[in-house]
Amino acid sequence: EDQVTQSPEALRLQEGESSSLNCSYTVSGLRGLFWYRQDPGKGPEFLFTLYSAGEEKEKERLKATLTKKESFLHITAPKPEDSATYLCAVQAGSGNTGKLIFGQGTTLQVKP
Amino acid sequence: GAGVSQSPSNKVTEKGKDVELRCDPISGHTALYWYRQSLGQGLEFLIYFQGNSAPDKSGLPSDRFSAERTGGSVSTLTIQRTQQEDSAVYLCASSRPLLPNYGYTFGSGTRLTVV
Repeated sequence: EDQVTQSPEALRLQEGESSSLNCSYTVSGLRGLFWYRQDPGKGPEFLFTLYSAGEEKEKERLKATLTKKESFLHITAPKPEDSATYLCAVQAGSGNTGKLIFGQGTTLQVKP
Repeated sequence: GAGVSQSPSNKVTEKGKDVELRCDPISGHTALYWYRQSLGQGLEFLIYFQGNSAPDKSGLPSDRFSAERTGGSVSTLTIQRTQQEDSAVYLCASSRPLLPNYGYTFGSGTRLTVV
């Protein structure tokens, strides 16, 4: 069964304290791994797509990396406005479907 | 419109009543998805529409749930005889075909509370 596990469930950082969020996946045929940010009361907002092991993408203070078993979202020198829930999702298998399997998310709180 | 629009934003209903949730996707997006997010849970796939193809209904939790998409645009998710376990945020998303590099665009969701 395809599965996505995120850790930790919650993370508290001081402003400027860099850290990483983990997304481990077990899928039959990875077609893409997606990172989203979700603020309270809003829908998830797309951040990155990664397709193959070794791939990296960056956006401001965020950097996503991918291996054959997991992905990391590195946050460098975070600011309070980076506080949100970060969701990881995978698209797997064959066939004509855009279905994503989501992890349960990591809730990040950055204190000033 | 510029984004995915969902209505209502909040819905409180009595157990046993039927509810309809509406989604207006981004113009030109042929793929439309419904997900459910329960408190403390990850997003759960419900149904996927792509153009004129038969929808992927594999995520619908029971036959009380149904969805349609009219004219390749607006979609309605209907829950019949609502139960308390149906309480959740229902999220709609749209994309160009075959989940492009930039992923989905989500709406802000409908928060459904069954009392």
